[in-house]
Amino acid sequence: NAGVTQTPKFQVLKTGQSMTLQCAQDMNHEYMSWYRQDPGMGLRLIHYSVGAGITDQGEVPNGYNVSRSTTEDFPLRLLSAAPSQTSVYFCASSYGGTLSSYNSPLHFGNGTRLTVT
Amino acid sequence: KNEVEQSPQNLTAQEGEFITINCSYSVGISALHWLQQHPGGGIVSLFMLSSGKKKHGRLIATINIQEKHSSLHITASHPRDSAVYICAVRAGSGTYKYIFGTGTRLKVLA
Repeated sequence: NAGVTQTPKFQVLKTGQSMTLQCAQDMNHEYMSWYRQDPGMGLRLIHYSVGAGITDQGEVPNGYNVSRSTTEDFPLRLLSAAPSQTSVYFCASSYGGTLSSYNSPLHFGNGTRLTVT
Repeated sequence: KNEVEQSPQNLTAQEGEFITINCSYSVGISALHWLQQHPGGGIVSLFMLSSGKKKHGRLIATINIQEKHSSLHITASHPRDSAVYICAVRAGSGTYKYIFGTGTRLKVLA
Protein backbone atom coordinates (compact mmCIF):
# COMPACT_ATOMS: atom_id res chain seq x y z
CA ASN A 1 0.00 0.00 0.00
CA ALA A 2 1.80 3.14 -1.25
CA GLY A 3 -0.30 5.72 0.65
CA VAL A 4 0.29 9.26 -0.66
CA THR A 5 2.92 9.57 -3.38
CA GLN A 6 4.40 12.91 -4.37
CA THR A 7 6.69 13.59 -7.29
CA PRO A 8 9.23 15.00 -7.84
CA LYS A 9 11.13 15.13 -4.54
CA PHE A 10 13.27 18.05 -5.65
CA GLN A 11 12.83 20.65 -8.36
CA VAL A 12 14.67 23.79 -9.41
CA LEU A 13 12.86 26.27 -11.64
CA LYS A 14 13.72 29.59 -13.15
CA THR A 15 11.42 32.54 -12.64
CA GLY A 16 8.53 32.39 -15.09
CA GLN A 17 8.70 28.66 -15.74
CA SER A 18 5.69 26.46 -15.13
CA MET A 19 5.50 23.00 -13.68
CA THR A 20 3.16 20.47 -12.12
CA LEU A 21 3.66 18.77 -8.78
CA GLN A 22 2.05 15.36 -8.77
CA CYS A 23 0.12 13.79 -5.89
CA ALA A 24 -1.54 10.40 -5.94
CA GLN A 25 -3.17 8.33 -3.22
CA ASP A 26 -4.38 4.75 -3.29
CA MET A 27 -6.59 4.81 -0.18
CA ASN A 28 -9.79 6.00 -1.89
CA HIS A 29 -9.68 9.22 0.14
CA GLU A 30 -12.16 11.89 -0.87
CA TYR A 31 -10.29 14.77 0.79
CA MET A 32 -6.98 15.84 -0.75
CA SER A 33 -5.03 19.02 -0.14
CA TRP A 34 -1.84 20.90 -0.87
CA TYR A 35 0.22 22.76 1.75
CA ARG A 36 3.39 24.74 1.68
CA GLN A 37 5.86 24.76 4.55
CA ASP A 38 8.12 27.75 5.05
CA PRO A 39 10.70 28.32 7.81
CA GLY A 40 9.18 29.66 11.02
CA MET A 41 5.63 29.19 9.78
CA GLY A 42 3.09 26.44 10.13
CA LEU A 43 1.87 24.51 7.13
CA ARG A 44 -0.42 26.70 5.06
CA LEU A 45 -3.25 25.41 2.89
CA ILE A 46 -3.00 26.23 -0.82
CA HIS A 47 -5.95 24.35 -2.35
CA TYR A 48 -8.08 21.42 -1.38
CA SER A 49 -10.62 19.02 -2.85
CA VAL A 50 -13.47 17.08 -1.26
CA GLY A 51 -14.01 14.79 -4.23
CA ALA A 52 -13.53 14.38 -7.95
CA GLY A 53 -14.56 17.54 -9.77
CA ILE A 54 -14.67 19.63 -6.57
CA THR A 55 -11.86 22.01 -5.59
CA ASP A 56 -11.61 25.09 -3.42
CA GLN A 57 -9.05 27.68 -2.41
CA GLY A 58 -7.17 27.66 0.83
CA GLU A 59 -5.21 30.34 2.62
CA VAL A 60 -2.52 31.01 -0.02
CA PRO A 61 -3.92 30.07 -3.47
CA ASN A 62 -2.40 32.82 -5.64
CA GLY A 63 -0.09 31.51 -8.35
CA TYR A 64 -1.33 27.93 -8.09
CA ASN A 65 -3.99 25.93 -9.90
CA VAL A 66 -5.45 22.52 -9.15
CA SER A 67 -7.86 20.07 -10.70
CA ARG A 68 -9.34 16.78 -9.52
CA SER A 69 -10.45 14.61 -12.40
CA THR A 70 -10.08 11.33 -10.48
CA THR A 71 -10.30 10.32 -6.82
CA GLU A 72 -6.66 9.23 -6.87
CA ASP A 73 -4.86 12.25 -8.33
CA PHE A 74 -4.60 15.89 -7.27
CA PRO A 75 -1.91 17.76 -9.23
CA LEU A 76 -0.73 21.25 -8.27
CA ARG A 77 0.26 23.56 -11.12
CA LEU A 78 2.56 26.54 -10.82
CA LEU A 79 1.63 28.80 -13.70
CA SER A 80 4.59 31.18 -13.68
CA ALA A 81 7.06 30.40 -10.92
CA ALA A 82 8.28 33.19 -8.66
CA PRO A 83 11.06 33.17 -6.03
CA SER A 84 8.34 33.60 -3.36
CA GLN A 85 7.14 30.11 -4.25
CA THR A 86 10.39 28.58 -3.06
CA SER A 87 9.15 26.22 -0.37
CA VAL A 88 8.51 22.63 0.60
CA TYR A 89 5.17 21.38 -0.66
CA PHE A 90 3.14 18.63 0.95
CA CYS A 91 0.12 16.80 -0.32
CA ALA A 92 -2.23 15.31 2.29
CA SER A 93 -5.37 13.21 2.14
CA SER A 94 -7.98 11.77 4.46
CA TYR A 95 -11.37 10.10 4.52
CA GLY A 96 -14.30 12.47 4.53
CA GLY A 97 -15.01 14.73 1.62
CA THR A 98 -18.69 15.35 1.29
CA LEU A 99 -19.16 13.91 4.79
CA SER A 100 -17.54 17.09 6.03
CA SER A 101 -18.28 16.55 9.72
CA TYR A 102 -16.33 13.27 9.76
CA ASN A 103 -12.85 13.47 11.25
CA SER A 104 -10.07 11.14 10.23
CA PRO A 105 -6.26 11.19 10.35
CA LEU A 106 -4.31 13.11 7.73
CA HIS A 107 -1.93 11.15 5.49
CA PHE A 108 0.97 13.11 4.05
CA GLY A 109 3.24 12.58 1.11
CA ASN A 110 7.01 12.91 1.55
CA GLY A 111 7.12 16.44 0.21
CA THR A 112 8.57 18.27 -2.78
CA ARG A 113 11.38 20.77 -2.20
CA LEU A 114 11.02 23.51 -4.80
CA THR A 115 13.56 26.23 -5.46
CA VAL A 116 12.79 29.10 -7.81
CA THR A 117 15.77 31.17 -8.92
CA LYS B 1 -1.36 36.11 17.61
CA ASN B 2 -1.39 32.70 15.93
CA GLU B 3 -4.57 30.70 16.28
CA VAL B 4 -2.49 27.64 17.21
CA GLU B 5 0.44 28.14 19.54
CA GLN B 6 2.93 25.48 20.59
CA SER B 7 5.43 25.51 23.42
CA PRO B 8 8.26 25.12 23.75
CA GLN B 9 9.62 25.88 20.28
CA ASN B 10 12.78 23.89 20.97
CA LEU B 11 13.43 21.19 23.52
CA THR B 12 16.54 19.19 24.34
CA ALA B 13 16.22 16.21 26.65
CA GLN B 14 18.35 13.38 27.93
CA GLU B 15 17.41 9.85 27.00
CA GLY B 16 14.84 8.46 29.42
CA GLU B 17 13.31 11.79 30.38
CA PHE B 18 9.56 12.47 30.41
CA ILE B 19 8.70 15.09 27.79
CA THR B 20 5.68 17.35 27.47
CA ILE B 21 4.81 19.48 24.46
CA ASN B 22 1.91 21.90 24.72
CA CYS B 23 -0.59 23.22 22.20
CA SER B 24 -3.10 26.01 22.77
CA TYR B 25 -5.66 27.16 20.25
CA SER B 26 -8.10 30.03 20.09
CA VAL B 27 -10.74 28.77 17.65
CA GLY B 28 -13.56 26.27 17.90
CA ILE B 29 -12.45 22.90 16.62
CA SER B 30 -13.87 19.57 15.61
CA ALA B 31 -10.58 17.71 16.03
CA LEU B 32 -6.95 18.19 17.01
CA HIS B 33 -4.08 16.33 15.38
CA TRP B 34 -0.56 15.66 16.56
CA LEU B 35 1.93 15.08 13.76
CA GLN B 36 5.59 14.07 13.70
CA GLN B 37 8.06 15.34 11.12
CA HIS B 38 11.41 13.56 10.99
CA PRO B 39 14.63 15.19 9.75
CA GLY B 40 14.07 13.53 6.38
CA GLY B 41 10.99 15.71 6.04
CA GLY B 42 8.12 13.22 5.96
CA ILE B 43 5.09 13.92 8.16
CA VAL B 44 3.17 11.18 9.94
CA SER B 45 0.00 11.37 11.99
CA LEU B 46 0.40 10.38 15.63
CA PHE B 47 -2.99 11.15 17.12
CA MET B 48 -6.35 12.62 16.28
CA LEU B 49 -8.36 13.81 19.30
CA SER B 50 -11.71 15.40 19.85
CA SER B 51 -11.90 14.71 23.59
CA GLY B 52 -10.13 12.98 26.45
CA LYS B 53 -6.89 11.06 26.11
CA LYS B 54 -5.21 8.62 23.75
CA LYS B 55 -2.15 6.42 24.23
CA HIS B 56 0.06 4.69 21.72
CA GLY B 57 3.16 3.00 23.06
CA ARG B 58 5.21 5.64 24.87
CA LEU B 59 3.16 8.50 23.49
CA ILE B 60 0.16 10.00 25.27
CA ALA B 61 -2.03 12.83 23.97
CA THR B 62 -4.62 14.70 25.99
CA ILE B 63 -7.04 17.45 25.17
CA ASN B 64 -9.09 19.84 27.32
CA ILE B 65 -11.80 21.29 25.11
CA GLN B 66 -12.95 23.85 27.70
CA GLU B 67 -9.43 25.23 28.15
CA LYS B 68 -8.59 24.87 24.42
CA HIS B 69 -5.38 23.08 25.26
CA SER B 70 -3.71 19.81 24.33
CA SER B 71 -0.52 18.12 25.48
CA LEU B 72 1.65 15.47 23.93
CA HIS B 73 3.69 13.41 26.39
CA ILE B 74 6.59 11.12 25.61
CA THR B 75 7.58 8.71 28.36
CA ALA B 76 11.08 7.21 28.54
CA SER B 77 12.31 9.35 25.65
CA HIS B 78 14.77 7.91 23.15
CA PRO B 79 17.05 9.51 20.55
CA ARG B 80 14.79 8.13 17.82
CA ASP B 81 12.05 10.43 19.17
CA SER B 82 14.08 13.39 17.88
CA ALA B 83 11.81 15.15 15.41
CA VAL B 84 9.54 18.16 14.98
CA TYR B 85 6.13 17.68 16.58
CA ILE B 86 3.29 19.64 15.02
CA CYS B 87 -0.12 20.42 16.46
CA ALA B 88 -2.94 21.03 13.98
CA VAL B 89 -6.62 21.76 14.50
CA ARG B 90 -9.55 21.32 12.19
CA ALA B 91 -11.46 24.54 12.71
CA GLY B 92 -15.18 24.13 13.40
CA SER B 93 -17.34 21.55 11.71
CA GLY B 94 -18.40 21.40 8.11
CA THR B 95 -15.11 22.98 7.01
CA TYR B 96 -11.77 21.66 5.88
CA LYS B 97 -9.77 24.48 7.38
CA TYR B 98 -6.78 23.00 9.17
CA ILE B 99 -4.61 25.40 11.17
CA PHE B 100 -1.10 24.27 12.00
CA GLY B 101 1.25 25.27 14.77
CA THR B 102 4.85 26.09 13.92
CA GLY B 103 6.10 22.92 15.58
CA THR B 104 8.27 21.93 18.52
CA ARG B 105 11.75 20.75 17.62
CA LEU B 106 12.75 17.94 20.01
CA LYS B 107 16.26 16.57 20.35
CA VAL B 108 16.86 13.62 22.65
CA LEU B 109 20.47 13.02 23.58
CA ALA B 110 21.85 9.56 24.30
